Amino acid sequence: AQSVTQLGSHVSVSEGALVLLRCNYSSSVPPYLFWYVQYPNQGLQLLLKYTSAATLVKGINGFEAEFKKSETSFHLTKPSAHMSDAAEYFCAVSETNTGNQFYFGTGTSLTVIP
Amino acid sequence: GAGVSQSPSNKVTEKGKDVELRCDPISGHTALYWYRQSLGQGLEFLIYFQGNSAPDKSGLPSDRFSAERTGGSVSTLTIQRTQQEDSAVYLCASSHRGGGSSYEQYFGPGTRLTVT
Repeated sequence: AQSVTQLGSHVSVSEGALVLLRCNYSSSVPPYLFWYVQYPNQGLQLLLKYTSAATLVKGINGFEAEFKKSETSFHLTKPSAHMSDAAEYFCAVSETNTGNQFYFGTGTSLTVIP
Repeated sequence: GAGVSQSPSNKVTEKGKDVELRCDPISGHTALYWYRQSLGQGLEFLIYFQGNSAPDKSGLPSDRFSAERTGGSVSTLTIQRTQQEDSAVYLCASSHRGGGSSYEQYFGPGTRLTVT
């Protein structure tokens, strides 16, 4: 069975500081991995995805994530936080063999302190 | 182009009433998902449609919940005899293909349901 773990339901960073949001998955086969962002009172939108090409994936708004198979991780980073990055971030996994679902993590709420 | 749309955007209903929530997916997307998001919570999977296959209903919390997808396009989520714990934002998403693929989901803005 697939599961996604996001460590830290709340993360606070200062404006200009590094953003690191953690995501670990469990899968017996190589998965597809996604990060979504949900701004206040809005729907979810895709930040980036890993599809077994490059292990370092660049997304929108300066975010990137690195797939590390040995660590079963797909952490999201941004070198310098901006106030507009304050949002809820969800990691998601889709298995490549079978399965009718995407599996979402419980989300991490990012606060950016001016 | 047009994204996923949902209606109504807000719904307030009395406990015990039935409600219908509508989702219009992106044209051509064969996969459609319903999720529930309670205040401060993550996404709870409800049901998944893929083409003409039987839907995956494994996430429906009770038999008061049902959904259908007509003509492989529009979907309706029905909640019968609503309870206060049903209050949440109901999100719909569509995708070119379903789970097991690299295609991402596109989410609608959600329907905020409040049961009084």
